[in-house]
Formats: sequence, structure tokens, C-alpha cells
Amino acid sequence: DTAVSQTPKYLVTQMGNDKSIKCEQNLGHDTMYWYKQDSKKFLKIMFSYNNKELIINETVPNRFSPKSPDKAHLNLHINSLELGDSAVYFCASSPQNGNEQFFGPGTRLTVL
Amino acid sequence: AQSVTQPDIHITVSEGASLELRCNYSYGATPYLFWYVQSPGQGLQLLLKYFSGDTLVQGIKGFEAEFKRSQSSFNLRKPSVHWSDAAEYFCAVGSTGTASKLTFGTGTRLQVTL
Repeated sequence: DTAVSQTPKYLVTQMGNDKSIKCEQNLGHDTMYWYKQDSKKFLKIMFSYNNKELIINETVPNRFSPKSPDKAHLNLHINSLELGDSAVYFCASSPQNGNEQFFGPGTRLTVL
Repeated sequence: AQSVTQPDIHITVSEGASLELRCNYSYGATPYLFWYVQSPGQGLQLLLKYFSGDTLVQGIKGFEAEFKRSQSSFNLRKPSVHWSDAAEYFCAVGSTGTASKLTFGTGTRLQVTL
């Protein structure tokens, strides 16, 4: 069973488009996260949700809007995509704040 | 603010040789420390973690790490490297409390020669 899953795995799109990435965890965790890994492999947190409530918004442009319909899902919607948004986006979850995080397989977004 | 430094961008070792990957952190309180591994095109897998207690922690795949508060370090070691260990290794420090997040180092790429 996949613990943290993301769809799609690859996403190729044109500048200016709007796209969404979905994340689901079946671990029963309360906290979920989105991280961005750039072309130099640097990982940086974007958002954190705890029980559907936004906890962390790490100075991400407001073109990025996370949505958590329930505590098992955290989706990421991106408006007006830019070239600089090209990256690998990782979803993660943890049983509680401060504990180890379990990562999804990543979604490679390429903006042309 | 918390931060992590991994001084070595790229390390090459021979299969069977020992390995040490360096990690230094900055955090105002007792840190939660992690090592993750990322194989090419894959997600991140947790190797080991330190929360408290014994400063030498054992992880999966034969890895261990030692927390040294005096040096603000959490170096990763393995006595004998296998070719399958070739990957990117990330050290991370985790904050506690409601606004918890992982702050990652820039990673160390491990290459294993046969």
C-alpha cells in the first residue's frame, strides 16, 4: 500500500496555464506538507496543514493555493504558471508536528 | 532561524570503503535531526532520526549517525558502502510546536566506484 501518493507524477504545461497536483496519505496523519525541490536539488517547505488548517505559508506567491478537503488530502493549485515554477514538488505527512515526515514520490512540473 | 549546512556537495568512495557525510545545524533549542536519502528520480526515504536520548542512532541499510551538541553536528556514517548506496543524501533539522517544518541542507551526492 502506498503511504503518501501524488498525482500526476509528471506534468508538462505552458506558461500561463493553471494546474493542480493532488496528494493523499493513508497513514492517518494529522499534518501534511508541500515542499519544492529546485533544479539544484534544494528542498524548501512551502505549506503545512494540520487537521485541514493552514499552519505554515512560507512566503510562497499567492499563485500557489493549497487546499485540504480533509486531513488525508492536501492538493496544490497553481495559477498562471511561470517558467520558474518548474521543479519537483513533494508532498509529505507526519503523525504530529515535529515528528518524522513521510514523503510522496514527487511530481515533476515542467513549464514551457 | 534554523539552518543546516552540508559542506560536501559531492563525495566519491570505493565500494567497501567507509563513509562519513557531514552535517552541521543551527537551532535554538534541542533539535530534531534527520537524514533522508533520495535515489535518482525517486522520493525521499528516511534513513534515521534523532529526537533525544542516545546520541548514536542506528538507521536502515546499515547507516548510523552521531549527534554532537558541542559541535552542532549530526554526521552520517556507514562502515562499508555498497554500490546501491549511490544517491543524494539530505540532512534536515525539524522544528517543534504547531508551526513545524523541516529545514534541509543542500544535499551531498554520493558516488560509489566499483
